[in-house]
Amino acid sequence: SQQGEEDPQALSIQEGENATMNCSYKTSINNLQWYRQNSGRGLVHLILIRSNEREKHSGRLRVTLDTSKKSSSLLITASRAADTASYFCATYSNDYKLSFGAGTTVTVRA
Amino acid sequence: DGGITQSPKYLFRKEGQNVTLSCEQNLNHDAMYWYRQDPGQGLRLIYYSQIVNDFQKGDIAEGYSVSREKKESFPLTVTSAQKNPTAFYLCASKNREEQYFGPGTRLTVT
Repeated sequence: SQQGEEDPQALSIQEGENATMNCSYKTSINNLQWYRQNSGRGLVHLILIRSNEREKHSGRLRVTLDTSKKSSSLLITASRAADTASYFCATYSNDYKLSFGAGTTVTVRA
Repeated sequence: DGGITQSPKYLFRKEGQNVTLSCEQNLNHDAMYWYRQDPGQGLRLIYYSQIVNDFQKGDIAEGYSVSREKKESFPLTVTSAQKNPTAFYLCASKNREEQYFGPGTRLTVT
C-alpha cells in the first residue's frame, strides 16, 4: 500500500531553474525520506527529515516537512542535466516496512 | 548502487518457468528487501527479511518465494504462479532508517 503521493507526476524545467515537488502522506511518521532513481537504475537515498524537523538542507537540496498537513516538499536549486531522474518520497509504516509514492519524473532541459 | 549486487541485469524466461533472482550485499546489514517496480510506478514490497533465517511477506508476496540462509544473500524466486511477472525487480538492504539499493534486474516473461 502506498503511504506517500508525489505531485506533480512529471516536471520539465530549464537547466539552472529550480524544481519543486511535493509529497503527501496518510499516517503519522517518525521521519520521511527522499530517494532519486535514474532511468533503469536502483534508488539512491538523498535526504531524511525527522518529524521534529521543519527544514533540512543538503547541497542543492532543501526539504521541508509539515506534519500538521502531512506533507513534505523537495526543492532542487540551480538544476543540472544530471538531476534528470525520478524522485520518490518514502515513509515507514513500521520499523522495517518502507512505503514509496509513485514518484515525480523530473526532466532538465539543456 | 552501494555494496549490493543483483544479477543478471536482464533476464528472459518462458511462461511457466520458475526463475531465481540473485541479491548479494557486503554492507553487513541485517535487513534486506525485495521490491517490484512497474513502468511509471513506485516500488511495491514483495518480501523482507530482518535477520538470517527469518522473512516476512510484503504487500504483493503471492507467486514469489525467498530464502535467507546467509546474511549476505537474499535470493528471490519468481514462480509460475505469479500472473504478471514481467517487471523491474530491486533488492535493498537497510542500515538504521536508510535503504541501499542494488542496480535491479529487469525480468521479461513471454
